[in-house]
This record gives sequence, structure tokens and C-alpha cells, in this order.
Amino acid sequence: AQRVTQPEKLLSVFKGAPVELKCNYSYSGSPELFWYVQYSRQRLQLLLRHISRESIKGFTADLNKGETSFHLKKPFAQEEDSAMYYCALSVSGTASKLTFGTGTRLQVTL
Amino acid sequence: ETGVTQSPTHLIKTRGQQVTLRCSSQSGHNTVSWYQQALGQGPQFIFQYYREEENGRGNFPPRFSGLQFPNYSSELNVNALELDDSALYLCASRRGMGPDSYNEQFFGPGTRLTVL
Repeated sequence: AQRVTQPEKLLSVFKGAPVELKCNYSYSGSPELFWYVQYSRQRLQLLLRHISRESIKGFTADLNKGETSFHLKKPFAQEEDSAMYYCALSVSGTASKLTFGTGTRLQVTL
Repeated sequence: ETGVTQSPTHLIKTRGQQVTLRCSSQSGHNTVSWYQQALGQGPQFIFQYYREEENGRGNFPPRFSGLQFPNYSSELNVNALELDDSALYLCASRRGMGPDSYNEQFFGPGTRLTVL
């Protein structure tokens, strides 16, 4: 069975510092990987997915199949980046049946 | 365009009771998925409905069941409630289904269920 691991429950960084939220997965096939974000008092929403290879709100994530990782990065953290971030994996190709990690809370301080 | 809505927002039940949670999918979306999110955990996939039929199920017992209606709204039913069923239940909808029809799924705000 597939599994997603986010080793950090909380990541605290200063404004302007680089951010890296770690995500490792286990799955023998070719997964689709996603990052979802939940801002305070808002619903869960898609941030980015590896297939699109986009940069959203300054965040990027590269799928590393050799290391089975999909870390989320941003060069300069902003206060508005403070939120809960979830890494998720889909093996069905439909992107509806997601396996989520336990999440990392990013706290950006002045 | 109206987003995904869920009702009720909160509810409290006792062990052994039954509960029905409701979800209205976003306009134009025909696929609905349900997730359970326990405190401090990520969402866990329960099942998915496409055009009124269950299409895929996670590791949940049969006392978790669902329905999808012709207007694509959905219900999640849980029988014989247990204390561990206390969680936030999320509904998500998207358009289409299949590996060649990726469309982003949109989550509702969730229903907080407490089982005493």
C-alpha cells in the first residue's frame, strides 16, 4: 500500500528565509504527487501538483523518484505562507483517491 | 459558481447511533469523494462516487456507506458509531473521472462529528 510521510509537524522560519517542507512517499508504481494547503479558517485547497511543474505563490516542488521525495520549496518565506501543508499521492490517475501525509504546520515569524 | 457545501457543520452523537452527513457538490461536478480526518492526522480516503455508483473505497468497514443522487449531491452514512469515528468528515467534488481527465477536486468545509 502507498504511504506518504511528512516528518515535521511544525516548521518555524523567519520572514525572508528559505522554506523546505519535506515529503517522502512509498509506492512501487508511478504516482501523482500533490501539495495541498489549508490557511486559517479556510478549506483545504490544491497548491500544486508535480505534473504541471508550475510555481504557485513562489512555491515549487520537484518529484525525485530516486529518493521517493516531493519536497516543497520557497526561496523567501512570507507571513501569508503560514498555514498547514499536506503532501498527497494518487495512484489511480483520477486524483480523487488521495493518500495524505499527516501535514506540516508552517509558521513564518517576523 | 457555488462551491462545495456540507451539512451540518457540527454534530454530537453517542456510541451505537447512526449518522448521515450531506454534501452538495460544486456546479458541474459529477464525482464526489469522502475523507475522514482525525485530529492531528491527514485526511483519509473513505470512498468515491461517480454518476451515482461507488467507484473505489478506502480501508473502512461496511458500516460506512454512501449515496450519490442524480443532482450529484451525496450522503455519507455511518452506522453503529464508535468513539474512534470522532473526526472531521470532508467532501470533495470534481468533474469527470479517469486517468485522462484530470480535473482539480474542491473540498468542502467539513462536518465535525463527535461521538460520546
